[in-house]
Amino acid sequence: GESVGLHLPTLSVQEGDNSIINCAYSNSASDYFIWYKQESGKGPQFIIDIRSNMDKRQGQRVTVLLNKTVKHLSLQIAATQPGDSAVYFCAEPNQAGTALIFGKGTTLSVSS
Amino acid sequence: DSGVTQTPKHLITATGQRVTLRCSPRSGDLSVYWYQQSLDQGLQFLIQYYNGEERAKGNILERFSAQQFPDLHSELNLSSLELGDSALYFCASSGGASEQFFGPGTRLTVL
Repeated sequence: GESVGLHLPTLSVQEGDNSIINCAYSNSASDYFIWYKQESGKGPQFIIDIRSNMDKRQGQRVTVLLNKTVKHLSLQIAATQPGDSAVYFCAEPNQAGTALIFGKGTTLSVSS
Repeated sequence: DSGVTQTPKHLITATGQRVTLRCSPRSGDLSVYWYQQSLDQGLQFLIQYYNGEERAKGNILERFSAQQFPDLHSELNLSSLELGDSALYFCASSGGASEQFFGPGTRLTVL
């Protein structure tokens, strides 16, 4: 069925470290994934997306990796900053393409 | 700033009451989505409207309803409120692509 989940609910890193946030999905037919960042008191904010015809996509300080063999994607944040502290969600469209299905979220805490 | 606005930011009410949450999508976006975010359930899709018409329903209770007006703003109506309805309610809009832009949310507290 459709489900998107994350491996760890929390991740604590030091400022300047690289962060890796993981997500597993169950639907092998899924072809589009999105990472959202939600800061305290705000709505989810689009970070980066990736289609299934790609293994890797890079943005500004962020990289998403997609491993279709094991149905896993990850978000890598380089040189993590205190402003990166937030909850990160992976999401994918449902089969009908009418809504997004969100994972439970990983809370990233960055200490300086 | 996503361009999606929601009012009110906070809402406190009592069980059994009815409330209306309002959302204005990004300029030009025809699709509006409503999501509920609670601590134990995460972000759950409730309902989608496209250009005034209901397009899809998710885990929306019968006590809840929504509509989208000709100016494309949307309202989510929650009635016979229960303690368990306390949550953050988000509106998102999109212009047809898969990416959705989320508003700041309305925090509903039912006492």
